[in-house]
Amino acid sequence: QQQVKQSPQSLIVQKGGISIINCAYENTAFDYFPWYQQFPGKGPALLIAIRPDVSEKKEGRFTISFNKSAKQFSLHIMDSQPGDSATYFCAASRFRGADGLTFGKGTHLIIQP
Amino acid sequence: GAVVSQHPSRVICKSGTSVKIECRSLDFQATTMFWYRQFPKQSLMLMATSNEGSKATYEQGVEKDKFLINHASLTLSTLTVTSAHPEDSSFYICSAKPAGVGGELFFGEGSRLTVL
Repeated sequence: QQQVKQSPQSLIVQKGGISIINCAYENTAFDYFPWYQQFPGKGPALLIAIRPDVSEKKEGRFTISFNKSAKQFSLHIMDSQPGDSATYFCAASRFRGADGLTFGKGTHLIIQP
Repeated sequence: GAVVSQHPSRVICKSGTSVKIECRSLDFQATTMFWYRQFPKQSLMLMATSNEGSKATYEQGVEKDKFLINHASLTLSTLTVTSAHPEDSSFYICSAKPAGVGGELFFGEGSRLTVL
């Protein structure tokens, strides 16, 4: 049973556009929702994270929108740049990350110049 | 941000041998470390959770006798792949959770294991 469903699997966006990646979760005990960026051959790097007590969090060009009732959260990348081309993973965990992360399947994002 | 170091970054071994991968938190103490496995173009799958000074907790389907995890200190956890086979070839990534800080997990750069 996949506890975190991520879409789309791949995404192509023009430079300067908005990249949107969506995730849905099933376990209502999850209380921490991070997004990670991964380049080939590297470990994932934390981009931004949110807890269920807020509906939106913004850090620079990255925004997480969170809908607790729908059990969905999304990542918006504003003014997308070629350097943003990478694989993005949403994740979720209980106990503020204390029991490890359950990852979505990832989105391969390509920003075209 | 906090730094987690993995060593080696790449290792090639013959089938049947054992390989040890180290995960170190360089500038913080980690009471809990996690080991993930990632196949090409796939997601990260949690293998086990290790807590300093106690036995690791393995996820369902992960063979604890094959993937030995030791968390001997607050800054070091090791994963040993015993009697490695080609199907064990994968990208192994550790993450560490600082003691006393909520939420954020810091990931290592990963270790690419190739079993011939």
